[in-house]
Amino acid sequence: KNQVEQSPQSLIILEGKNCTLQCNYTVSPFSNLRWYKQDTGRGPVSLTIMTFSENTKSNGRYTATLDADTKQSSLHITASQLSDSASYICVVPWGGADGLTFGKGTHLIIQP
Amino acid sequence: GAGVSQSPSNKVTEKGKDVELRCDPISGHTALYWYRQSLGQGLEFLIYFQGNSAPDKSGLPSDRFSAERTGGSVSTLTIQRTQQEDSAVYLCASSLELAPNEQFFGPGTRLTVL
Repeated sequence: KNQVEQSPQSLIILEGKNCTLQCNYTVSPFSNLRWYKQDTGRGPVSLTIMTFSENTKSNGRYTATLDADTKQSSLHITASQLSDSASYICVVPWGGADGLTFGKGTHLIIQP
Repeated sequence: GAGVSQSPSNKVTEKGKDVELRCDPISGHTALYWYRQSLGQGLEFLIYFQGNSAPDKSGLPSDRFSAERTGGSVSTLTIQRTQQEDSAVYLCASSLELAPNEQFFGPGTRLTVL
């Protein structure tokens, strides 16, 4: 069964601190993995996409890693800002137009 | 337009009423997708359109749900005889071609059924 599991479910950190969000997947065959940021009341916005051959990709203060062997990805946020407060969703396609498996997301709260 | 737009942004309705949700995809995007996001849950795929055609409607939760797309652009999701369990955020996304991993999301419509 194609699944995407994210952890932690929620996380609270102080502004300026770093954090790492985890995503484990069982989707096969694997082609890519995408991290989305979803602000409260808004639709998801793509942060980064990782293909099979990529191990690390950065987008500003966001760095995603991928280990295709262990089927794990992480999203590291450096020097967190209040605007980073959001849900972060891991998504893995498995084929077909409806072949997207979404994680339930990690709800991140940055406190001043 | 610059992005996917949805209307209304919020809808409160009484149980048993019909509602219609609208999605305007990015201009030129041939594929359009509808999702539902219940509180504390992940996104649930409902239906997709390639052009005006929806090949697979099996993702719709019940026969009270229907969707259409005209002119390869605007799509409407209609929920008849709404129930409280229909309360959720309904998200629309579009992509240039049928590539769900390249889709752009709209802001969503928050539906509350009283």
